[in-house]
Amino acid sequence: DQQVKQNSPSLSVQEGRISILNCDYTNSMFDYFLWYKKYPAEGPTFLISISSIKDKNEDGRFTVFLNKSAKHLSLHIVPSQPGDSAVYFCAASGQDQAGTALIFGKGTTLSVSS
Amino acid sequence: ETGVTQSPTHLIKTRGQQVTLRCSSQSGHNTVSWYQQALGQGPQFIFQYYREEENGRGNFPPRFSGLQFPNYSSELNVNALELDDSALYLCASSFAYGYTFGSGTRLTVV
Repeated sequence: DQQVKQNSPSLSVQEGRISILNCDYTNSMFDYFLWYKKYPAEGPTFLISISSIKDKNEDGRFTVFLNKSAKHLSLHIVPSQPGDSAVYFCAASGQDQAGTALIFGKGTTLSVSS
Repeated sequence: ETGVTQSPTHLIKTRGQQVTLRCSSQSGHNTVSWYQQALGQGPQFIFQYYREEENGRGNFPPRFSGLQFPNYSSELNVNALELDDSALYLCASSFAYGYTFGSGTRLTVV
């Protein structure tokens, strides 16, 4: 049973436009959410996070929105750049998870064309 | 500030063999976690070590075991390898929720 779901395996966007990546979760005990970017042959790189006490967090071109009632979060990238092309993972953690274990979604491959 | 280094980068083993993967921790991080990423999947939590003690484990059998050393580096050991163990193994060192991932070890079991 997947606790974190990224239902769109891929997304294609033109340079300069907005990229919106979505993530849904089922575990109401999750209280911290993170987004990672991964290039081939590299480990995941942290992008941005949000605590469950907030509904928005912004860092430069990246904004994460959290809708707790819908158990949904999204990552907005504005403007999108070709270098943003990568696999994006949504991850969550909570008090019922072992240690500070992260539960990942399957990822969304973002392609930004120039 | 050093990152997380994993070795080896690639490895081919035969079914039934044993393997040890290694990970160095980022300076200042006292926790290390291991994840398995199968093709087309997200990383799956294997276990976590804090100050040399296992303090969390995912849904993996006991043939997956680990160690953390006083310098916070870590090993992942897998016994009796199975074909389904073929995956990218990621190590992450952390302090609270500040995770740093290594580039991973690609294990192929034939």
